[in-house]
Order: sequence, then C-alpha cells, then structure tokens
Amino acid sequence: NAGVMQNPRHLVRRRGQEARLRCSPMKGHSHVYWYRQLPEEGLKFMVYLQKENIIDESGMPKERFSAEFPKEGPSILRIQQVVRGDSAAYFCASSDLTGTGDNNEQFFGPGTRLTVL
Amino acid sequence: ILNVEQSPQSLHVQEGDSTNFTCSFPSSNFYALHWYRWETAKSPEALFVMTLNGDEKKKGRISATLNTKEGYSYLYIKGSQPEDSATYLCASRTGGFKTIFGAGTRLFVKA
Repeated sequence: NAGVMQNPRHLVRRRGQEARLRCSPMKGHSHVYWYRQLPEEGLKFMVYLQKENIIDESGMPKERFSAEFPKEGPSILRIQQVVRGDSAAYFCASSDLTGTGDNNEQFFGPGTRLTVL
Repeated sequence: ILNVEQSPQSLHVQEGDSTNFTCSFPSSNFYALHWYRWETAKSPEALFVMTLNGDEKKKGRISATLNTKEGYSYLYIKGSQPEDSATYLCASRTGGFKTIFGAGTRLFVKA
C-alpha cells in the first residue's frame, strides 16, 4: 500500500510564475490536508479537503492560493504569481475519517520544497 | 491557551537516559491530540492519536498520556537511543477539522 505521494519533490519558480503542487493520498483515503513549513518555523495548517469539497481553508492566504481535490486524480495546491515569501516546504497529509478516534490519524507525504527566485 | 505549545524547545540527553516532553493545547472544543516523530529530510511519522481524557498509549519505549481537562499531554521515551534523535511534534485537533501543530521538541541523543 503506497503511502502519500507528492510531486514534484523540489520546484523552482521565478517571481510571478505559477506553482502547482500535487498530492496523491494513500489508497482508500478521501481526506487531504495541506500544510506549509516556512524556514525556521513549524507546520502551519492551510486547507482541508474531501473529494470535490473544500471543508476548511482558514489557514490559506486569501489571494493567489487555491486548492482542489477532484473526484479523479490528485489534490492540487496552486500558487499564482509566486513571490519570494512563498518559498517553503509544502506537506500534504491524508486520512480516512470513516471511523472515530484512531482512524483520524494523518499520514504525511515527503513534501514539496518550493524555491522562488 | 490558544495555541499548541511544546516544551522544551530542544533537549540533549545521553544514550540510556529517559526523557519526557510536554504539549499544551486548548482544552475547549477538543477533538484529538496527535504525536508525530519527524526526522530531518523525511515526512512526519505518526506515533499516537489520543482522544479520551486519561488515555495512555505505548509503542515500544515511547509512551504518551493525555489530560483533556487541563489541556496537556506528555510524551515519554525510556532508555533513549541515538536513533530516537528527531523532532517530536504534537498537534491538536478541535471540533472542526483544523489541526494545529506545536513548534516541536528537538531531541538529540548522544551515544
């Protein structure tokens, strides 16, 4: 059972370009979370999605950032017109919330390190 | 407490020492408390998920306790080994779906 997959692992963009980060959850998981780790900081929640729905995007900047989790295919975190401050590691995690308690465990992908030049 | 706070920020111990870390979290609207182990250049690895007040979980030499009324959790490592060196993250999930992470405790175990 493959774990959470993220690609690319490293992404370099110039200011003003678009960055698209992909996350494929673990098989059977229909819940995806995106987190951002800025340099010298911890993980910060960005957005929580279920298939085709954004459940909680309270941690995501209102402008330039968007996320989707279509019925088919990976979840996409999209950053338009990137700026240097967007340079960070972006992690996604997936979970299966069909149960309670221990079933809420989140499994993390390896992250995408975005560098904006 | 509005945020998740972890202490100490870093910890240096000798191989064989037992150690513990603290995680403080908002006790209102509590849903679940997660502990993760995060090695450099890897993704966070889930250790425990706890939901009930008084929960105690154990995995090998690592154990954790939970007090939801006062909003704290302890992570214990018995007989630390160099391979235990990592950042230990706790994360609190409230009644919504937002998970808030602490800054982590960096553990260094010297052989």
